[in-house]
Amino acid sequence: EVQLVESGGGLAQPGGSLRLSCAASGFTFSSYNMNWVRQAPGKGPEWVAFLSSSSTTIYYADSVKGRFTVSRDNAKNSLYLQMNSLRVEDTAIYYCAREGDSGYNAYWGQGTLVTVSS
Amino acid sequence: DIVMTQSPDSLAVSLGERAAINCKSSRTVLYNSDKRNYLAWYQQKPGQPPKLLIYWASTRESGVPDRFSGSGSGTDFTLTISSLQAEDVAIYYCQQYYTAPPHTFGQGTKVEIK
Repeated sequence: EVQLVESGGGLAQPGGSLRLSCAASGFTFSSYNMNWVRQAPGKGPEWVAFLSSSSTTIYYADSVKGRFTVSRDNAKNSLYLQMNSLRVEDTAIYYCAREGDSGYNAYWGQGTLVTVSS
Repeated sequence: DIVMTQSPDSLAVSLGERAAINCKSSRTVLYNSDKRNYLAWYQQKPGQPPKLLIYWASTRESGVPDRFSGSGSGTDFTLTISSLQAEDVAIYYCQQYYTAPPHTFGQGTKVEIK
């Protein structure tokens, strides 16, 4: 069974940092592209970052470019999101998601809540 | 970026009746080389992550009831629930994955029981 478990969310001050983790199991992690998708309270999902299976290709949403860094450790079956210079508008549930055979998100974790507030 | 626009924003349907949600992309998501539409549909219930229902515009994900179907091509797509059940109350989102990211989502359609 595919499982994705996010952790690392919490309360951060504007300008602060957080590092999110996503532990994957139930599939060959190194074979799949991964995404971070966030959802602000009462809003729809917003794609945040993409990382290819071998970490050779990375994309970021314009809203986080230069502030967030996505990475993975295939030996540890883990995906990460380093979030710096946090803003109030980064407040959201952050999901990691595994792609299917193309860019759709076939599996999602339960998410971790990030709150940016002073 | 491709903009995805769903309609309506919400709809109320009687149990057992048909529900249809539309999704329009600002440009085609049909890839000529493989003739596939790079369009997915998700269902989200309160307090849960989105769940994949349909990909390639019309391929039902394993385990999804056959009352859910996807249709359309190019820029116009429809998710149809043929006979609405109580457990189908949710928000539904379309997403394109035609281009390199950003893989944009529609704004969502809330389905309720009339």
